[in-house]
Amino acid sequence: SQQGEEDPQALSIQEGENATMNCSYKTSINNLQWYRQNSGRGLVHLILIRSNEREKHSGRLRVTLDTSKKSSSLLITASRAADTASYFCATAYSGGGADGLTFGKGTHLIIQP
Amino acid sequence: NAGVTQTPKFRVLKTGQSMTLLCAQDMNHEYMYWYRQDPGMGLRLIHYSVGEGTTAKGEVPDGYNVSRLKKQNFLLGLESAAPSQTSVYFCASSKQNYGYTFGSGTRLTVV
Repeated sequence: SQQGEEDPQALSIQEGENATMNCSYKTSINNLQWYRQNSGRGLVHLILIRSNEREKHSGRLRVTLDTSKKSSSLLITASRAADTASYFCATAYSGGGADGLTFGKGTHLIIQP
Repeated sequence: NAGVTQTPKFRVLKTGQSMTLLCAQDMNHEYMYWYRQDPGMGLRLIHYSVGEGTTAKGEVPDGYNVSRLKKQNFLLGLESAAPSQTSVYFCASSKQNYGYTFGSGTRLTVV
């Protein structure tokens, strides 16, 4: 069964705007990761946040983690057409993901030029 | 540096046929994974390996077998293909507490 659930399922915004996606999960985690998938391609790792971290940045990406609410958010600032893709959150239990990540169903993001 | 390479990229099988999907990584990662991705279902873990010679079942292992005879290779076998195994298959590798590196996928259709 899916551990993480992304919200919204689909999001369409204008180029230059910020995009926010949320992820909720059910049980305690070791870390949470975000991935991007362009149509017809493999997944690309974006960022990993550990359970003892609250916020992490990477370029135009900002990820937050609230373990008390079992939720995470991914913010993409100043969006570009190239950001159009599906975004997945994935959770790791013990072992830091060695025994597999559990993926949500994804948020499909469309950036309108 | 090729990362994770999957072969073949596309395949059509008849029901009951068997095949093997090959995954190769050149990053010296200990851990390797096979996932399947179906529309509206996200990715589901089939089998994984935490080291050469070891394998373990994931969420949806039925109908699949795997082998990790060499550290850099992880093979996924379909013993007797069924239409329900029509999917896109992704291989990934990682080291502990790091993100996964995914291959580009194998699109399998079983008719």
